[in-house]
Amino acid sequence: AQTVTQSQPEMSVQEAETVTLSCTYDTSESDYYLFWYKQPPSRQMILVIRQEAYKQQNATENRFSVNFQKAAKSFSLKISDSQLGDAAMYFCAYVGGNSGGGADGLTFGKGTHLIIQP
Amino acid sequence: GAVVSQHPSRVICKSGTSVKIECRSLDFQATTMFWYRQFPKQSLMLMATSNEGSKATYEQGVEKDKFLINHASLTLSTLTVTSAHPEDSSFYICSATPLLDSYEQYFGPGTRLTVT
Repeated sequence: AQTVTQSQPEMSVQEAETVTLSCTYDTSESDYYLFWYKQPPSRQMILVIRQEAYKQQNATENRFSVNFQKAAKSFSLKISDSQLGDAAMYFCAYVGGNSGGGADGLTFGKGTHLIIQP
Repeated sequence: GAVVSQHPSRVICKSGTSVKIECRSLDFQATTMFWYRQFPKQSLMLMATSNEGSKATYEQGVEKDKFLINHASLTLSTLTVTSAHPEDSSFYICSATPLLDSYEQYFGPGTRLTVT
């Protein structure tokens, strides 16, 4: 079974600074997808960024970027120029690349609560 | 695009009664819908996978007779919590996968269930 580990229950960063959230995962599959989701107090899950395992290039979305280390099974999220609106729970998630087609549910880490200090 | 709705957003029911939660993909067709449960201050846990026109697949430890899932169309899946008990109180979130992208999941806003 796949597991996703987020070792930082809570992180705090000053507004406009950079913060990195860590995530490691365990899998025996070679094809898979990794995601970072944001869950604000409204509890709506918002996709922040996605990475396909077969792509060596790290994904980037504006102020959000990942450091994907496939051999180390590490998938950290870097948030640059932190803003007050970035405050939320951040979940790392994994799904296997099902070669037989169809879709599988996501396996989530326990989450990191990100606090932005004004 | 890719909007998923859930209804109701909040529901309170008495112990022993049943409650139905609807999950709809509003602007796309979904081959597969998923149901997750999130207890306070915890992560999302996958409960079941629902494919249109076929029986749902439940995760280990999830009682299929208690959590009835119906996926009657490509835009609607329902979760019925039968004979609810206070320990079923939780936040239930659905997600849907578009036909053309099996790996992207779009989440509904969730339903808070309180069983008294």
